[in-house]
Amino acid sequence: QSALTQPRSVSGSPGQSVTISCTGTSSDVGGYNYVSWYQQHPGKAPKLMIYAVSKRASGVPVRFSGSRSGSTASLTISGLQAEDEADYYCYSYAGNYNYVFGIGTKVSVL
Amino acid sequence: QVQLVESGGGVVQPGRSLRLSCAASGFTFSSHGMHWVRQAPGKGLEWVAVIRYDGSIENYVDSVKGRFTISRDNSKNTLYLQMNSLRVEDTAVYYCAREGPQAEFDPWGRGTLVAVSP
Repeated sequence: QSALTQPRSVSGSPGQSVTISCTGTSSDVGGYNYVSWYQQHPGKAPKLMIYAVSKRASGVPVRFSGSRSGSTASLTISGLQAEDEADYYCYSYAGNYNYVFGIGTKVSVL
Repeated sequence: QVQLVESGGGVVQPGRSLRLSCAASGFTFSSHGMHWVRQAPGKGLEWVAVIRYDGSIENYVDSVKGRFTISRDNSKNTLYLQMNSLRVEDTAVYYCAREGPQAEFDPWGRGTLVAVSP
C-alpha cells in the first residue's frame, strides 16, 4: 500500500488561508468516506482534526475544514494562526483492514 | 477521561524481540478496534497493525508481516504488539490508537520509543 501524496510544505501569513491536498486512488481516498486528518506538533502525539472527510473533531476550531473531490481530499485552514504551525497527515481506510497515511505536510506560519 | 498509555519500548539489538503494551482507560475497550502506528525519527506516520474489537481479525503492513503480532486482552483493557526479528529500520516511536466508528484514530497514546541498534 503506497502512502498518500501530500505536498511537503505549505506556508501562509497569519489570517490567510492554506489548503493541503491528499491524493490517493479509487481504492482508498476515492472509495471510502473514511478519510481523516491529523495535526502533530513537534514531540507530540498526533491529534485528530477532521474525520469522515469533512466532520470536525470535538474541540477543533471552525477554521479547519475538510473536503474531497474524486480521489483527492483537502484540508483547509482559514484564518491561519501561529499555533497552526505543525505537521499535518491525511489518512484513509483502504479496504480489507488496510489503512494508509499521507506523507505529511509541514505548515509554516510566516 | 479516555486515555491510552504505551510501555515496553527500549534499545534492542537487531534480531531480538520486544513486546509493547498499551493500557486503555476511560472507555469500553472491548467495543473498539485498536491500532499500532509508528513514526521513524524525522519521518512520517506509518500504519503498522490493526486488531478487531473481539480479536477475531488482525492485519499488518507488509514490512512487518510474519515478524510482528498484535493481540489484546479485553479483560485487562490492554493491547499488545509482539515484535520479533527486529531490524534497524523498525526504529521508531510506536503509538497505539483507538479506532472510532468512521475508522478515525482517536485518541492516541503518547508513544514509546523502540531503538534497534547493533
